[in-house]
Amino acid sequence: GEDVEQSLFLSVREGDSSVINCTYTDSSSTYLYWYKQEPGAGLQLLTYIFSNMDMKQDQRLTVLLNKKDKHLSLRIADTQTGDSAIYFCAESLTEAGYSTLTFGKGTMLLVSP
Amino acid sequence: SQTIHQWPATLVQPVGSPLSLECTVEGTSNPNLYWYRQAAGRGLQLLFYSVGIGQISSEVPQNLSASRPQDRQFILSSKKLLLSDSGFYLCAWSGLTSGRPNEQFFGPGTRLTVL
Repeated sequence: GEDVEQSLFLSVREGDSSVINCTYTDSSSTYLYWYKQEPGAGLQLLTYIFSNMDMKQDQRLTVLLNKKDKHLSLRIADTQTGDSAIYFCAESLTEAGYSTLTFGKGTMLLVSP
Repeated sequence: SQTIHQWPATLVQPVGSPLSLECTVEGTSNPNLYWYRQAAGRGLQLLFYSVGIGQISSEVPQNLSASRPQDRQFILSSKKLLLSDSGFYLCAWSGLTSGRPNEQFFGPGTRLTVL
């Protein structure tokens, strides 16, 4: 079945690194995504990784993918108070010619000054 | 560029009243469209998705329905709201524009409170 699991809460101090973890279940996923949701707003795509990659770096963001363990992580370097938000991991699945995303429940990141 | 609109932004409705939420997409054609609900303290629940006009798939049984009267318009409706329908409703679209066909772009959301 499809299930994406994330820890629900993470608290860090400004300037530290944050690591948000995610596990997924479907090994046929083609892309894995990280979305950010600020309070009262919709979701914004932060970054993504294709399933044949192990790592992707994009400025302060580093995504690591362990396909064997079906584990995905998002590392935010030099975390700022503006990074406080809910972060969603999502896996993409294709069935009968169309694709859907399955989201985790989201990790709330709180950055304190 | 593509944009996605949702309205209203907030809505307070009594139990038993009807509901109509609207979502429109600009700048693309034949998008896949999605309705999600985010209840307080919970993740995103996919409610409906549509791959074309008049084609609606439902993910969970409920008292909500969806319609797609035009290519870039997606409507979420209910004849009689329940308290449990309260939540944050998000519309999203996906297509071939980004080169990643299942990447979804989200609207700003509608906050629905049923009293």
